[in-house]
Amino acid sequence: LAKTTQPISMDSYEGQEVNITCSHNNIATNDYITWYQQFPSQGPRFIIQGYKTKVTNEVASLFIPADRKSSTLSLPRVSLSDTAVYYCLVGDSGAGSYQLTFGKGTKLSVIP
Amino acid sequence: DAGVIQSPRHEVTEMGQEVTLRCKPISGHNSLFWYRQTMMRGLELLIYFNNNVPIDDSGMPEDRFSAKMPNASFSTLKIQPSEPRDSAVYFCASSSPQSSFETQYFGPGTRLLVL
Repeated sequence: LAKTTQPISMDSYEGQEVNITCSHNNIATNDYITWYQQFPSQGPRFIIQGYKTKVTNEVASLFIPADRKSSTLSLPRVSLSDTAVYYCLVGDSGAGSYQLTFGKGTKLSVIP
Repeated sequence: DAGVIQSPRHEVTEMGQEVTLRCKPISGHNSLFWYRQTMMRGLELLIYFNNNVPIDDSGMPEDRFSAKMPNASFSTLKIQPSEPRDSAVYFCASSSPQSSFETQYFGPGTRLLVL
C-alpha cells in the first residue's frame, strides 16, 4: 500500500509562496499524485493532480521529480483564506482493488 | 450542478439505534465513495461503488456497517446498532468516468454523534 508522509503543520505569512512536500517512496508505476484541500467543517476539495514533471492550474503548481518518490505542492502568494489542511494522495492499484490512502495531511496556517 | 448532496447534515442518536446516512452523487458520475473522518484516525475510505456495484468494502469497520447503492443517484450507509465509537464525520464523494479515480468531489458530510 503506497503511503505518504508530509509535515504535520506549517506556518506562513500572507503573500508568501508556500511549498508542501510529500514523500511516497512506494508509488506504483500507474499511480497519480493528487492533492486535496480541506477547510474546517467541509469536505476535502480537489486541488491538483499530476503524474510527472510539473502541472499548474489557477490554484497551485505541482512539482514531481523524475523518480516520483516525492512531490511538492506550491501555493503562490497565500492569503488567510488558504488556511486549511492539505492532503497528498497516491492511488494504489497493486492489490487488484483500488485503495486510496489519505495521509494525516499538513495543516497550513497563514498569518497576517 | 448541485454537487454531492448528503443528508442529514447532523445526527445525534443513542447507542443501539439504527442510523442511516444518505448520499446523492453528482449526475453522470459513476463512482461513489464513503469515508469516515475522526481526529484519531483521519480520513478513512470505507467502501466504494463503481456503476452501482460495491467494488471494495475492506474499509468497512465491522458487520454493523452496511452500504447500498440501488441506483446511480442514491446510496445509503447504515450503522446498526450504533455505538459511541462510531461518532465521526461521514463523507460521501463521487467521481466521473471522464476523470481519474482520484479526482473525487466530496459532499459536505454528516456529523454523527452517538451517545
